[in-house]
Amino acid sequence: GAVVSQHPSWVICKSGTSVKIECRSLDFQATTMFWYRQFPKQSLMLMATSNEGSKATYEQGVEKDKFLINHASLTLSTLTVTSAHPEDSSFYICSAREVSAGEQFFGPGTRLTVL
Amino acid sequence: GDSVTQMEGPVTLSEEAFLTINCTYTATGYPSLFWYVQYPGEGLQLLLKATKADDKGSNKGFEATYRKETTSFHLEKGSVQVSDSAVYFCALRPFGNEKLTFGTGTRLTIIP
Repeated sequence: GAVVSQHPSWVICKSGTSVKIECRSLDFQATTMFWYRQFPKQSLMLMATSNEGSKATYEQGVEKDKFLINHASLTLSTLTVTSAHPEDSSFYICSAREVSAGEQFFGPGTRLTVL
Repeated sequence: GDSVTQMEGPVTLSEEAFLTINCTYTATGYPSLFWYVQYPGEGLQLLLKATKADDKGSNKGFEATYRKETTSFHLEKGSVQVSDSAVYFCALRPFGNEKLTFGTGTRLTIIP
């Protein structure tokens, strides 16, 4: 149980386009989902926290107009990278926190490459 | 702010060797401490955790003890297997806060 999926697992796009990444909790309801970014050989950096039905809370230095987060249901959150540039190329990971538990369950990540 | 410093990798060991991956932290108050493992192509999985000083987390032969006096949470295993090859992340979560702060990860490779 407690499986989190991400789609797509990898995506290549042209500079200036937008890319949407989905994060789904498959067998539990998640009131809170988190989006992280991971650079090569570096730690996971929290980008934002999203609560179902409300606006996401962004970490300092993360542009909310560039990284649009929607948490429309208890099982789905989306991250849209708008007007992507090569510096946005990274590994994006989501996690979901079950309603009744404190633990976060992580998705497998999405590798974004912007050409 | 809070931070986690863990042993840089990569670490390569022979099967059945003893493993230690060091992790130290900086935080105010009494955070919870975690070790996560990421197998190739998979998401991070919680390996073990400890929520207060002197607690020992253990799972799958791995252990880590919450040492407040040294602000450490070193990961150990007495006899590693090839299947333990993965990336290991140390993390903390401040008391009353759901945000996790991660170390940089340590890639472990076990050779037969």
